Amino acid sequence: ETTVTQSPASLSMAVGEKVSISCKTSTDIDDDMNWYQQKSGEAPKLLISEGNTLRPGVPSRFSSSGYGTDFVFTINNVLLGDEGIYYCQQSDNVPNTFGAGTKLELK
Amino acid sequence: EVQLQQSGAELVRPGTSVKLSCKVSGDTITAYYMHFVKQRPGQGLEWIGRIDPEDDSTKYAEKFKNKATLTADTSSNTAYLKLSSLTSEDTATYFCTTDWGDWGQGVMVTVSS
Repeated sequence: ETTVTQSPASLSMAVGEKVSISCKTSTDIDDDMNWYQQKSGEAPKLLISEGNTLRPGVPSRFSSSGYGTDFVFTINNVLLGDEGIYYCQQSDNVPNTFGAGTKLELK
Repeated sequence: EVQLQQSGAELVRPGTSVKLSCKVSGDTITAYYMHFVKQRPGQGLEWIGRIDPEDDSTKYAEKFKNKATLTADTSSNTAYLKLSSLTSEDTATYFCTTDWGDWGQGVMVTVSS
């Protein structure tokens, strides 16, 4: 089973700052990493899919990079509406494991 | 537009079973793997398993192999998750998703006597 280690657990940022979230996997997953945003009481929303592919309709402020075992998710110019919990998830092999999540709070 | 509609909230007794449904509209269910994900209150996301409605093949996370059963009905474009021998540890919101891109609204299952 591939373990996904996500950090940090929480972030407190000011509007306009840059957010970076790291996920490391215990096995090589190529670029089969997905990134989600979850707001309170809602289902997760897929922002970036395998191959660091921005999903349709997702602002270009969101991006990701990485291959193999090290991955980074970035939000440039963070906005108030970006508050929520962000998860990474590997879709290379089953079980499709998730990171523990990063809670993003805006000051 | 693909939409997933899940069944309503459940309050169930310990030791019993519950079957949750996830109806897909806007596309045929056989176009996707259907995954189910568990989220306990205030906790993260946990993959339960997936079904390929094309051939009913399934994969489960190890900890759910004796807990969850996934089925699909292509005639109604619906996937199902059955949870058995329920305990308080099963109290959670359960989501279905089509290969991660579209998600149901989630269904809250509360296990309590």
